[in-house]
Amino acid sequence: AQSVAQPEDQVNVAEGNPLTVKCTYSVSGNPYLFWYVQYPNRGLQFLLKYITGDNLVKGSYGFEAEFNKSQTSFHLKKPSALVSDSALYFCAVRENTNAGKSTFGDGTTLTVKP
Amino acid sequence: DAGVIQSPRHEVTEMGQEVTLRCKPISGHNSLFWYRQTMMRGLELLIYFNNNVPIDDSGMPEDRFSAKMPNASFSTLKIQPSEPRDSAVYFCASSFFGQPNSPLHFGNGTRLTVT
Repeated sequence: AQSVAQPEDQVNVAEGNPLTVKCTYSVSGNPYLFWYVQYPNRGLQFLLKYITGDNLVKGSYGFEAEFNKSQTSFHLKKPSALVSDSALYFCAVRENTNAGKSTFGDGTTLTVKP
Repeated sequence: DAGVIQSPRHEVTEMGQEVTLRCKPISGHNSLFWYRQTMMRGLELLIYFNNNVPIDDSGMPEDRFSAKMPNASFSTLKIQPSEPRDSAVYFCASSFFGQPNSPLHFGNGTRLTVT
């Protein structure tokens, strides 16, 4: 069975500082990894994904994520945080099958203070 | 594209009443997922369909919950009878079947309150 862990319920950073939201995963075979963001009263929105290739993937709104196979991690990063980045962030792993069932972490609330 | 459309956005009902939540997936998507989000349990997968066929309903909490997908553009999640512990935000998501490297597209959810 596949699983995702987001060890931090909450991450606080000051505007302009770099941010990291952590994610580790467990899956058999090659992982398909995703990050989503959720703003209040909205559904989850896709940010970026890792399928294969470069370990550093770039996504929307200046976010990027680093895939580390040996540490089974897929941390979300941004060099300079904005107040508008404040939201709930989910890491997810998707089965490499036709059905493609997704498993989500518990989410991390990011708060960026001015 | 209008994205995944869910209705209603908010539903308030009394315990024991029947509730029906609706979802229209993105046109062309042939996988559909129903999720429930609560503070206590996070995001839970309830059931998913591929090409209108239910594939895995192991996440459906009880027999009070049922889901259908009569055609490629419409799905319902029904709770009968509803209970206060069913209060949550229910999301529908869609994607392409056979493309696990593609992301899920979520609707904006239905916030259900059962009093």
